[in-house]
Amino acid sequence: GAVVSQHPSRVICKSGTSVKIECRSLDFQATTMFWYRQFPKKSLMLMATSNEGSKATYEQGVEKDKFLINHASLTLSTLTVTSAHPEDSSFYICSATSGTNEQYFGPGTRLTVT
Amino acid sequence: AQSVTQLGSHVSVSEGALVLLRCNYSSSVPPYLFWYVQYPNQGLQLLLKYTSAATLVKGINGFEAEFKKSETSFHLTKPSAHMSDAAEYFCAVSDAGGYQKVTFGTGTKLQVIP
Repeated sequence: GAVVSQHPSRVICKSGTSVKIECRSLDFQATTMFWYRQFPKKSLMLMATSNEGSKATYEQGVEKDKFLINHASLTLSTLTVTSAHPEDSSFYICSATSGTNEQYFGPGTRLTVT
Repeated sequence: AQSVTQLGSHVSVSEGALVLLRCNYSSSVPPYLFWYVQYPNQGLQLLLKYTSAATLVKGINGFEAEFKKSETSFHLTKPSAHMSDAAEYFCAVSDAGGYQKVTFGTGTKLQVIP
């Protein structure tokens, strides 16, 4: 099956700093990538949908200036958490689709803000 | 709007016993339905999917699910639980048309007792 990677797998940053998470589709071209956030013992919450070369579409309640998403190529999307705070600590998961009927999920990134 | 409801946030079964994880969906259009498994600190792995073909869908690791339109259900079963099945399971739904947005249930944590 198709492979999606995320980097880093774990990151610890200090409050007030920014952190970037990369999501890559390794063996297919991802026309659309999704970013999810998963709180402890909770389900996945869709944060935004990004299409290559266009602005991301954010879900209601997600601050677009705080969670910057860039989908610069058909194999790479990045999520930048700006001015991170402890409440931003979470498990962030991306997924990618080439337009067929399946999303392929990355392994997730554990963000801890101290 | 689409939604899925997973009955039971925790399910415990004995090793070798039947696994039954319940999922009911709500969708205004014909849905695509999915079951995903998540192991601790990992991303999601697709177990199986229903995309309007056969109503009984067989997946990986011996799991299967049956789409029942009259009951708006898509329950996940496995005849004999194995210790390695202990994980979090998510039911999800998307529109059959474009496969752009997937809505996840709240998850069911499966515990397998030796």
